[in-house]
Amino acid sequence: QKEVEQNSGPLSVPEGAIASLNCTYSDRGSQSFFWYRQYSGKSPELIMFIYSNGDKEDGRFTAQLNKASQYVSLLIRDSQPSDSATYLCAVKPGRRALTFGSGTRLQVQP
Amino acid sequence: DAGVTQSPTHLIKTRGQQVTLRCSPKSGHDTVSWYQQALGQGPQFIFQYYEEEERQRGNFPDRFSGHQFPNYSSELNVNALLLGDSALYLCASSLEGGGRRIGYEQYFGPGTRLTVT
Repeated sequence: QKEVEQNSGPLSVPEGAIASLNCTYSDRGSQSFFWYRQYSGKSPELIMFIYSNGDKEDGRFTAQLNKASQYVSLLIRDSQPSDSATYLCAVKPGRRALTFGSGTRLQVQP
Repeated sequence: DAGVTQSPTHLIKTRGQQVTLRCSPKSGHDTVSWYQQALGQGPQFIFQYYEEEERQRGNFPDRFSGHQFPNYSSELNVNALLLGDSALYLCASSLEGGGRRIGYEQYFGPGTRLTVT
């Protein structure tokens, strides 16, 4: 079992729709959760982090964390073609190293 | 506020050679982590430096070594390059001091694309 699992996609949504990206993790000791956006040929960009159960909203992005189910998700409202990228879920148990999933490729169709 | 910087941007080396990659962390950060990212994969953790010491290490051979300087900048060295070392090498910085139990957001530099022929 991979430590951090994501559906590789591509996830295709029409412009203006809500994109829902999901991630599960195996280490119950994980305490910090991050979403990175990576455009093709570029480095990952931190877009959201969440540390407590529940929802955290920042602009069009909402991160959701459920530690009991070991599940974290990212919702992108009013998706734009510029949101087309690979979204990486990363998990950090305490001071241990950040562990990444393989990423979900999102395509927003104009 | 300068972000994380890395040099060089691109590098082409021959199998068996050695390479050194450099990273300067974001202002105010004290920790540097290095990652290798192969095409279509998530970044894989190589090692992390804090207070000039290697604090954690991922599943990479001893051919991969590093250093952190007093100004928090860091180098990644790879010896005896293999074709499989071709990848995007990413440096990320964070603020790990202070005794917190959560947090430690990491910010990435632009990466160094290494091609081994």
